[in-house]
Amino acid sequence: GAVVSQHPSRVICKSGTSVKIECRSLDFQATTMFWYRQFPKQSLMLMATSNEGSKATYEQGVEKDKFLINHASLTLSTLTVTSAHPEDSSFYICSARDSAQGNYGYTFGSGTRLTVV
Amino acid sequence: RKEVEQDPGPFNVPEGATVAFNCTYSNSASQSFFWYRQDCRKEPKLLMSVYSSGNEDGRFTAQLNRASQYISLLIRDSKLSDSATYLCVVKGNSGYALNFGKGTSLLVTP
Repeated sequence: GAVVSQHPSRVICKSGTSVKIECRSLDFQATTMFWYRQFPKQSLMLMATSNEGSKATYEQGVEKDKFLINHASLTLSTLTVTSAHPEDSSFYICSARDSAQGNYGYTFGSGTRLTVV
Repeated sequence: RKEVEQDPGPFNVPEGATVAFNCTYSNSASQSFFWYRQDCRKEPKLLMSVYSSGNEDGRFTAQLNRASQYISLLIRDSKLSDSATYLCVVKGNSGYALNFGKGTSLLVTP
């Protein structure tokens, strides 16, 4: 089946530093990738949708200058949390869509647990 | 109002029990509906899609009522391994993003 590799799986960083999270589709081309954030006991909240070769579309309330998304190839999207603060501590999950699979084409990465101290 | 709302849970049931989860969605133009399962600190995984006519996959039965904007999941003969959080997921009529409910926690006990 389709596999999406996301790393790092866990990162602890100091307040004010930046963290990059990678999401890679291993055996399919993902024209669209999604970035979600999940706080404890909350639902996955869509942060942004990224299409290969174009600017990401951010959801309302998500700062595009703080959460930089790059989707330079059909198999790789990155999310950079810039100047991280403790309130950015969360579980970040990417999802890649394989358009050839229709509704079954959503594959999730294993998530990145970010802790900002 | 949240786009996808679910029973708050948690549901604690004994092995072998039947349990039902409900979900409502606010966007009447939504096109596709799913149930995902999420284990603690893991990514969500597709359990099943939900079709208008209702569909079954082993011990799992999903129902959709478009008029009421209501989705359900029934689990029969619960197993210990069914313990997880069940997420109701809806895809709208524009774009491809999935919208997740908050999830309902299920704990199946011996």
